[in-house]
Amino acid sequence: DIVMTQTPLSSPVTLGQPASISCRSSQSLVHSDGNTYLSWLQQRPGQPPRLLIYKISNRFSGVPDRFSGSGAGTDFTLKISRVEAEDVGVYYCMQATQFPETFGQGTKVEIK
Amino acid sequence: EVQLVESGGGLVQPGRSLRLSCTASGFTFGDYAMSWVRQAPGKGLEWVGFIRSKAYGGTTEYAASVKGRFTISRDDSKSIAYLQMNSLKTEDTAVYYCTREAAAGLDYWGQGTLVTVSS
Repeated sequence: DIVMTQTPLSSPVTLGQPASISCRSSQSLVHSDGNTYLSWLQQRPGQPPRLLIYKISNRFSGVPDRFSGSGAGTDFTLKISRVEAEDVGVYYCMQATQFPETFGQGTKVEIK
Repeated sequence: EVQLVESGGGLVQPGRSLRLSCTASGFTFGDYAMSWVRQAPGKGLEWVGFIRSKAYGGTTEYAASVKGRFTISRDDSKSIAYLQMNSLKTEDTAVYYCTREAAAGLDYWGQGTLVTVSS
């Protein structure tokens, strides 16, 4: 199975400041079709997860442009350019390149 | 508007069975693969399994932790996906989410249904 490792596991951030989360996979996420199926999801307290970013860097419908994704191969990053109060929650990276699909442990973003 | 609504959760004894349903609306259900993801209390997300659309054979994939005990099926005429859970264990206690799996990933999620396995 592909293991997804996120760092940090907790990220206290000041409102208006940037935040960054890293995700590393135990093997390359490049699929045989040439795509890299790495997604980022947000889970606000008491809510189901919500897709933010797919295929490394594509923002899903309705996602603010302060969220951006980057990376390649086995190393990926989610950046929030300026954290807002509504961004509090847990962020997960996830791979769908190979079954079983696997998630990172989650990174809790909170306001300092 | 895409909506996914799970139902069928509840309290069940270890070793018993339960069937969850996921009723979809707002899109052509038969065109999409569907996945189930679970979240144990206070824990992270765990992928449970996946069913392809009929165009791709309607076949399934499962996590090792549930393979042989859980079965995913679909009724495209009713826009419903099912998760049949047999031989339930206490460690299966979780909120179970139904998700649509598209080229954009797990793009829509239901609100989840809680399954508690306890004697």
